[in-house]
Amino acid sequence: EAAVTQSPRNKVAVTGGKVTLSCNQTNNHNNMYWYRQDTGHGLRLIHYSYGAGSTEKGDIPDGYKASRPSQENFSLILELATPSQTSVYFCASGDTYEQYFGPGTRLTVL
Amino acid sequence: QQKVQQSPESLIVPEGGMASLNCTSSDRNVDYFWWYRQRSGKSPKMLMAIFSNGEKEEGRFTVHLNKASLHTSLHIRDSQPSDSALYFCAVRRNTGNYKYVFGAGTRLKVIA
Repeated sequence: EAAVTQSPRNKVAVTGGKVTLSCNQTNNHNNMYWYRQDTGHGLRLIHYSYGAGSTEKGDIPDGYKASRPSQENFSLILELATPSQTSVYFCASGDTYEQYFGPGTRLTVL
Repeated sequence: QQKVQQSPESLIVPEGGMASLNCTSSDRNVDYFWWYRQRSGKSPKMLMAIFSNGEKEEGRFTVHLNKASLHTSLHIRDSQPSDSALYFCAVRRNTGNYKYVFGAGTRLKVIA
């Protein structure tokens, strides 16, 4: 089965600090995605990528950067974390017909 | 405003009953539709996909799609407590960069 892993699984950060969330996939999928999940909003797309070296803005990119250094790895970077970025973050990889989600990272910004 | 509207927000169904979940896209530039299920504390997993008009059945789960109205529905017959979960509808935009958009979800609880 498709495998997507995320690290860390839990993170507590301070306001104004830098946070990096990492994602690794062994599916050899070209497409990778970062979402955040908040009650009442479902899954909202932050950034996505079509392959190594590419990143695209999703629907809520403000305050976030992304990096895709290789086919397997996709990172989400919060340069200056704010309490409004407290959420659960999911990474996914996929093809045209299905997305496979990682286990999620719970981020709390104090 | 959500471009993918799901209803109801929550649903309680007795064990053995039928659960019906609805989803409509207000964005006409979409082509593919999915239903994902997320159990408590877990990540979303694809339940069913439907890409053309009509109906698709897999076991106790049936999905309908009407592309003209951009409406899809998920029906779970003989609902079980293990079906209790958050169900998301997702669509793919067929313009630009083919982004995926998820609805806010329907929380289903099946009570014994």
